[in-house]
Formats: sequence, C-alpha cells, structure tokens
Amino acid sequence: AQSVAQPEDQVNVAEGNPLTVKCTYSVSGNPYLFWYVQYPNRGLQFLLKYITGDNLVKGSYGFEAEFNKSQTSFHLKKPSALVSDSALYFCAVSSGGYNKLIFGAGTRLAVHP
Amino acid sequence: GAVVSQHPSRVICKSGTSVKIECRSLDFQATTMFWYRQFPKQSLMLMATSNEGSKATYEQGVEKDKFLINHASLTLSTLTVTSAHPEDSSFYICSARLPRDRATEAFFGQGTRLTVV
Repeated sequence: AQSVAQPEDQVNVAEGNPLTVKCTYSVSGNPYLFWYVQYPNRGLQFLLKYITGDNLVKGSYGFEAEFNKSQTSFHLKKPSALVSDSALYFCAVSSGGYNKLIFGAGTRLAVHP
Repeated sequence: GAVVSQHPSRVICKSGTSVKIECRSLDFQATTMFWYRQFPKQSLMLMATSNEGSKATYEQGVEKDKFLINHASLTLSTLTVTSAHPEDSSFYICSARLPRDRATEAFFGQGTRLTVV
C-alpha cells in the first residue's frame, strides 16, 4: 500500500530565511510525487511534481523539491520565505492504475515577519 | 492549468435533509473525479473515485448509501449527502485528473464547507 508521511505538524521560520517541509513516501514501483498548498477554506493549489528526470524540481512561487530515491523523500524547499507563504502544505503520491492521490497529513507553515 | 469548479462553496442544512455538491471540469473532460473529505486541521481523506458512466468506487469505511455519487457526464460529478447529520459537517473537496495521463497533477475544486444543524 502506498503512504505518505509528513513528520512535522508545523514549521516555523522567519521571513527571509530558507524553509524546508519534509515528506517521505512508501510506494511500490516508481512514485509520482506532488506538493500542494492550501489556504483557509480553499481547495488545493498545485506547486510542483516529480515524475522522472532531474531530482531537483522547480515549481510555483519559488518553491522547489528534491527527490531522493534512496531516502524515499521529497522535501519541499524555498531559499527565502515570505509571510505570504504561510499556509498548509500537503505532499502526495500516486501509483497504480487508478490515478488516485494519497496525501500526507499536512504541515502548517508559519512564516514570521 | 485546467479548472475545476465546485458549487456551492458553503452550505448550511438542517439535520435529516439531503445536500448536493457539484464538481465541474470547465475546460477538459474528466473521465475520473475524486471526492475528498477534510476534517479540521487534518489531511484529505479520499472518499470515492467517480467514474463517468459507471458506479463510483468507494474507499473502505465510506457509506455508499450515505454519500451518493453520480458522474453522468465527462464534465460533471455530484456528491449527495443523504439524511445529513451534524457529524457529516466537514469540508468536501473534489478533484479531477486529465484522462489517460497518470503523470499529471490533480486539479482541485475550491471546496464546499457543509454545516449540518
């Protein structure tokens, strides 16, 4: 069975500092990995994905993520955090023939001025 | 990116009544849509996979008769919460992926906040 773990409920970072939101996964076969962001009472917005190719993936709003097969991780990163980045972040994995996404528990990012 | 529209964004209903939530793919045909439920400060729980022209596939523990899903066209899936009770109050989100391409990201509706009083 596939699963996603986001070990941190919340990440706090000062504005201008780099941020990392952690994600590890378990899936049979090749993983398709995604990051989404959710603002209060809204649906999810796509940030970036890893399907194949370069392990470092660049996405929206200056975010990037690094796929590490040996560590089964797909951590989200940003070199310089903004207060407006404060939101709920979800990592997700897809595998199998049904195209469904399995989400992690989510990590709340709080960026302080 | 593709657009998924969900309606209504917020609904309050009385206990015992039924509520219908619509999910539309506006600029693409979605043979498959997904319905999620999200509790406060929790992750998204996949409820069911909605397949156009056939019966929905429900996840374990989700009551089929409680949460009726209809996917009558390639652009519309509906979720009906029947005989709603306060414990059904939640945030419901639909999503769709482009057909025959499992590598694409999912596109999400804006969600529906259901409150049963």
